[in-house]
Amino acid sequence: GENVEQHPSTLSVQEGDSAVIKCTYSDSASNYFPWYKQELGKRPQLIIDIRSNVGEKKDQRIAVTLNKTAKHFSLHITETQPEDSAVYFCAVSPSGNTGKLIFGQGTTLQVKP
Amino acid sequence: DAGITQSPRHKVTETGTPVTLRCHQTENHRYMYWYRQDPGHGLRLIHYSYGVKDTDKGEVSDGYSVSRSKTEDFLLTLESATSSQTSVYFCAISESAPEGQPQHFGDGTRLSIL
Repeated sequence: GENVEQHPSTLSVQEGDSAVIKCTYSDSASNYFPWYKQELGKRPQLIIDIRSNVGEKKDQRIAVTLNKTAKHFSLHITETQPEDSAVYFCAVSPSGNTGKLIFGQGTTLQVKP
Repeated sequence: DAGITQSPRHKVTETGTPVTLRCHQTENHRYMYWYRQDPGHGLRLIHYSYGVKDTDKGEVSDGYSVSRSKTEDFLLTLESATSSQTSVYFCAISESAPEGQPQHFGDGTRLSIL
């Protein structure tokens, strides 16, 4: 089955710097790649997603890039702010019409003021 | 926010007792999912449903069963709770589509098994 690896597990940056989180996956037929943000004690919330027919997608300070050949995708956060501090999860939708998502292990991002 | 309600929000129970968690949605979405979240493991799929009375196992289904008798309700049952099932449980929903679709999560249930 699909396997998703997420790195790094923790990331600390200064306010205003950029942060990059990377995920690799194993199933080349996977077709959908969302990113979730989870604040302490809260639900995971979708922040951006990308489909396999697109290489890059941007929404204000966040962007996701997808390299299908290398089977990895990355979350980029620019001009980080303290409120960006949270746990970020990548996920992959394997081939097949099940709607299932396989999640990475999560990255704890700390933005220091 | 998607209309997803999980109940109870918190529960403490003893080893060996049965426990049922409820997920209720008002979005009329076809797919519903149960996850558990533990430190260092991210979100792991327990069971999911792709329609009324249609369910399938996820990656950590042992010790859990589910039922879906109505579109809006998806129940997760721990048949005989063990301490290893202490966790935060999230329900999620998504619309049906041939490609992947975003899942939207409920607020979670914090379950402690003593």
